Amino acid sequence: AQKITQTQPGMFVQEKEAVTLDCTYDTSDPSYGLFWYKQPSSGEMIFLIYQGSYDQQNATEGRYSLNFQKARKSANLVISASQLGDSAMYFCAMRETPGGGGNKLTFGTGTQLKVEL
Amino acid sequence: GAGVSQSPRYKVTKRGQDVALRCDPISGHVSLYWYRQALGQGPEFLTYFNYEAQQDKSGLPNDRFSAERPEGSISTLTIQRTEQRDSAMYRCASSPGGEQFFGPGTRLTVL
Repeated sequence: AQKITQTQPGMFVQEKEAVTLDCTYDTSDPSYGLFWYKQPSSGEMIFLIYQGSYDQQNATEGRYSLNFQKARKSANLVISASQLGDSAMYFCAMRETPGGGGNKLTFGTGTQLKVEL
Repeated sequence: GAGVSQSPRYKVTKRGQDVALRCDPISGHVSLYWYRQALGQGPEFLTYFNYEAQQDKSGLPNDRFSAERPEGSISTLTIQRTEQRDSAMYRCASSPGGEQFFGPGTRLTVL
C-alpha cells in the first residue's frame, strides 16, 4: 500500500484564487510528521510547511496552510491568493519515527500546479 | 548562510564506469540523507547518517551502491559499474533534527 497518496497529477488555478492540493497517508506509527515541498522547474526542493501528528492546531506559514484531518489521514495543502510563481510541482511527504530511530521521508508522486492569469 | 551543496551538478558516464557523488551539508547538521528522484516522481530514500554512522541503508537498490560520511560532515555516494537504470537525480538533504534541507541534486546520466 502506498504510504503517501497524491491523487491529483495536475491542477489549474486562477491567479489570486485559493487552491487545495490533496494528500492522504497511511501509517500505524502514532508519532509522525507531514511535510510539503515545492519543486519549481529549476529543480530545487523548497520546504513549505510541517505538521506533527500531535500538533493540536493546523500549521500555517504565510499563504500556506495545512488542513490536517487525523482521523481521515489527510494532510491537504491550501495555498491562498495564488501567484504565478506558485506554478510548480508539489510533494507531500511523511516522516515516521520507528523504534529504531530514523527520520527518512516518504514522498508522494506529486501534484503539478499551474497558476493562470 | 550556505545551504546544502552537491557536486557535480551534472554527470554523464558510460555504462560500467564508477561514479562518486558528493554532498556538503549545512554546517552543524547532524543528519544527512540521500534520495534518488526519477523524472516525474517524488524522491525515494536511499540511506542516511547521523554524524559518521550510517543508520539506515535499506533504500540502497543493490550492492553497487554505497555511501560514507567518514568525518560526520561531507558524504559521498558511490555507484559502481553503473547501469542505464541508475540514471536519475540524486539528492542529498541535511537536517539538524527535524526539517530536511535539500541540495540542488546531481543529475546522473548513464549512456
